[in-house]
Formats: sequence, C-alpha cells, structure tokens
Amino acid sequence: DSGVTQTPKHLITATGQRVTLRCSPRSGDLSVYWYQQSLDQGLQFLIQYYNGEERAKGNILERFSAQQFPDLHSELNLSSLELGDSALYFCASSVVEDRSYNEQFFGPGTRLTVL
Amino acid sequence: KNQVEQSPQSLIILEGKNCTLQCNYTVSPFSNLRWYKQDTGRGPVSLTIMTFSENTKSNGRYTATLDADTKQSSLHITASQLSDSASYICVVRPGGSYIPTFGRGTSLIVHP
Repeated sequence: DSGVTQTPKHLITATGQRVTLRCSPRSGDLSVYWYQQSLDQGLQFLIQYYNGEERAKGNILERFSAQQFPDLHSELNLSSLELGDSALYFCASSVVEDRSYNEQFFGPGTRLTVL
Repeated sequence: KNQVEQSPQSLIILEGKNCTLQCNYTVSPFSNLRWYKQDTGRGPVSLTIMTFSENTKSNGRYTATLDADTKQSSLHITASQLSDSASYICVVRPGGSYIPTFGRGTSLIVHP
C-alpha cells in the first residue's frame, strides 16, 4: 500500500457524460500527478500540481481539467467523454516539488469505462 | 521527439531462471531513468533510479545498468520468482523538465 488513495475504483459511464476522479496523496506529500494508462498507449503523464498550483502539463485534453485543493487532495474532471477515454487513471504523489529524483508513489488507480 | 523503446514486448520464463529487459531512449538532455514494476491492475512501484553518473544499481534480485553514451538501460532479474510476473516500465526524465517519457513496458510471465 503506497498511502495514496483514489476513488472510485471503478467507474462506468456513457459517452458525453462528465465524471470526477478523486485522489488523496500520502500524508505530507505536496505534489500530485495524474496519469492515463490505456492498452494501446501505455502510461501518459497528464498534469502535475504542487501545493495547489499547476506545475506541469503533459498530454491532457482540453476536455479534461484538474485541481488541487487546500487540503492537498486532487480531482481530475473528465467531460464530454468518448469511448477512447476508457483507461486506467492513476494518481501519484511525492514529497516536494519534483526535482527529478523524488520518487513518486502511485495510487491503485481508477478504471474508467465509457460505453 | 523524446522516445523510450522497450524490448521485448513480452517474455515468458521458468521460475528460477534469469532474464534481462532492455530500454533504449532518445530523451535529451538526460536527467534520470527509472524502472517501475507494475502488477496487473495496480499502480507502478519504483525499483531503481539511475542518474547520468551511475552505471549499475541493484535492488535485491533486480539489477539495472545504464550506458548514457549509447542511451541504453537494462534490467536484469536474477533467480526469477512467480511474484516477478508483472509489467516492467522504463521511464526517462529529461533535464529541466517535469514531464517524463514512458516506455510501453515489457510484460513478464514467470511459469512454475
């Protein structure tokens, strides 16, 4: 158990809908990262937050947005869902703002299925 | 374009045997390279991190090597166990960037 929690574990929804994925980082970790893992793409970095501020953006679609709250938990919002958005979404956290060497601890993931 | 290529895509070995997984990258400038183990349906767990000046690093039965000149890394697993069955992912981080580049992973199956 990494200490990172993600809810829900599974999510099934329809195309065009909007969902919110939630992540609680390890106690004391200020940085949160979101990743998407699909069968044909592998793991892809979406976005990073540090202490409430956006720090880095990867291959995140405009239909997706995220935020980190004052209590450091983070939410990833996915809207106008398409079939291709079906994937595992992972949240990871690290102690400080990433300086490349800080290990990221991954949560168990949320499996999103869009029908 | 930064890329990380892993080989083989999948590998099946017998319990107790050794194996080596490969990772080639074109990420530049280079900062560090991590190997992750990901069990099915779970989040990745870091095995090792290699920086530019490191050639070899071990973590139990896992030994990672790095050749920064040829931009190649390998992960050697000794005396494999059934619990080694997982996907092994190579991740390279460029210098000055928070954004890592992930390989597609090698799926390892260890049979009794």
